[in-house]
Formats: sequence, structure tokens, C-alpha cells
Amino acid sequence: TQLLEQSPQFLSIQEGENLTVYCNSSSVFSSLQWYRQEPGEGPVLLVTVVTGGEVKKLKRLTFQFGDARKDSSLHITAAQPGDTGLYLCAGGSNYKLTFGKGTLLTVNP
Amino acid sequence: GAGVSQSPSNKVTEKGKDVELRCDPISGHTALYWYRQRLGQGLEFLIYFQGNSAPDKSGLPSDRFSAERTGESVSTLTIQRTQQEDSAVYLCASIAGRSSYEQYFGPGTRLTVT
Repeated sequence: TQLLEQSPQFLSIQEGENLTVYCNSSSVFSSLQWYRQEPGEGPVLLVTVVTGGEVKKLKRLTFQFGDARKDSSLHITAAQPGDTGLYLCAGGSNYKLTFGKGTLLTVNP
Repeated sequence: GAGVSQSPSNKVTEKGKDVELRCDPISGHTALYWYRQRLGQGLEFLIYFQGNSAPDKSGLPSDRFSAERTGESVSTLTIQRTQQEDSAVYLCASIAGRSSYEQYFGPGTRLTVT
């Protein structure tokens, strides 16, 4: 069974701070995705990474896929209250995604 | 265009009753997934439909759960004889095809079994 562990589970920070959340597995995935989910809504895809060592930037968000394609990190620079939400990582294998439990981020003004 | 829609948005039912949840995928999307999200948990895969191929039902937790999809259109997830542990948000997602990684999610149906 493939498992994805996300850490930390909860994170509460002040506006303007930087943060990094992690997604780790003992399994190799063909792709890794990050989603953000807000209350009462479905997850929304932020990024897909497929190559070991790949780094992608989306405005203030930087995503990295580990060289061995088993882990990933999401770094947010100068967090804003609008970044508040549940951040989920998901590992892709064939057509299935395995989701982590998520990091619940709260950015306080 | 319209995104993935799900109905109802909320459903409260008594233990032992049957419920039917509906998902309307994005038009033209060939693949459809159902997931279950319990409070404080990640998304749990339930079932996958791809075109007219046999669905992957490996995630259905018991024979009380079933799902149907006709072609590339609407899907329904049915839970018979509901139990309190079935309480969760049920999410539907569709993707454009086998080579696409991006799943588009609906807003979910929050099911509460009393």
C-alpha cells in the first residue's frame, strides 16, 4: 500500500512569514500533485511535477519533487491570509492518485 | 464552461436508509473518480470509470456501496443501509483522458448519517 505522509498536520502563522510543508513516501510515484482545498469546496490543483529534482514556481509558491520521486515540498514566501486552506499532496501511479491527509494552514492577518 | 457539479450538497439520513449521490462531470471528460473524505483525513479512492471500460471498484469499502456511469455522462454513487461510519464528504472528480494528470473536483456532498 502506498502512503503519503504530510507534515506538519497543522500550521498557524502570521501574514508575511515564510513556510514549508512536506510530503513524504517510501514509494516512488510517476507524478506528484499539490492541491489546495477550502471549506465546503473540492480540492483545486496547484501544480503537477513529474521529473525527479523538478522545481516549479507559481507566484509565491515553490514546489520541489525529490530526486528519487518519493517526496516533495511546498514553500510559500510572504504568506497572505488568502493562502489559508488545506494543502494536499497526491502521488500518481497509473491512473490512481494516493492522497496525504493534508496540512491545514492558517495565515493570520 | 461549467465545472464538475454534485448533488445534493448536503444530505442527512437515518441509519439504515439508502442514499444516492449524483455527479455531473465536465463535458467531454472521459474519466471519472469518486472519493470519500472523512473529517481530518485525506481523500480515499472509491471507484474509477474510464470511458466504456470496466470500472475499477477496488476502493469500495463494502458491498453496500455501488456506483454507475453511463458512457461519459452522469455518475451516481449509491450507499445502501447507511451506517454512521459512512458520514463523510463524497467528492467526484473528472479528467480529460488517460494521459491527463489534472483532476477537476466537484464541491462534494456532505453526508451525515444519524
